[in-house]
Amino acid sequence: AQSVTQPDIHITVSEGASLELRCNYSYGATPYLFWYVQSPGQGLQLLLKYFSGDTLVQGIKGFEAEFKRSQSSFNLRKPSVHWSDAAEYFCAVALVHNNDMRFGAGTRLTVKP
Amino acid sequence: ETGVTQTPRHLVMGMTNKKSLKCEQHLGHNAMYWYKQSAKKPLELMFVYNFKEQTENNSVPSRFSPECPNSSHLFLHLHTLQPEDSALYLCASSQDSDLRTGELFFGEGSRLTVL
Repeated sequence: AQSVTQPDIHITVSEGASLELRCNYSYGATPYLFWYVQSPGQGLQLLLKYFSGDTLVQGIKGFEAEFKRSQSSFNLRKPSVHWSDAAEYFCAVALVHNNDMRFGAGTRLTVKP
Repeated sequence: ETGVTQTPRHLVMGMTNKKSLKCEQHLGHNAMYWYKQSAKKPLELMFVYNFKEQTENNSVPSRFSPECPNSSHLFLHLHTLQPEDSALYLCASSQDSDLRTGELFFGEGSRLTVL
């Protein structure tokens, strides 16, 4: 069955430090992968998406993600975290055969001053 | 106006009440969705409407009843809910229902508490 796993429930980093959030997917066909962010009290906002081509994709707010087929991973990175990046981050995969986007359980990011 | 607007933002109801959640999108999209977000669980797709027609019902109990009168409005009617139905209900829209190349635009959610 198609699934998305985010191994880290909660991550804390210091402001200015680098960040990597992990995402693994289980999906037989070519995956269509996404990262969304949810700030407190808000809905989800798309950060970036991967369909094909260059495996390193750039997104908004200085985020990037790298698709690694051999590892079934789509990890999100940012070189220097800002306090405003504190939020919950969701990895997702769009399914081919129905109108569904399967989400991971999310990783909550705390940024220390 | 934000792209996707949900009302009310917060709702407390008893198990015998009937209430409705409303979603409106101002993006000209053709597909609309209801998702349920519970603590520590992945988002769960509940319903999908494409051009006002329901295309997905993800085994949702009948105490949740969706209504899509037009492409811009989506309702979720609630009746005899259970405490475990307490959650954040997110409405989303997309240009069309092919999410492989599209993007979901979410509202801020309606926080439902069932007593």
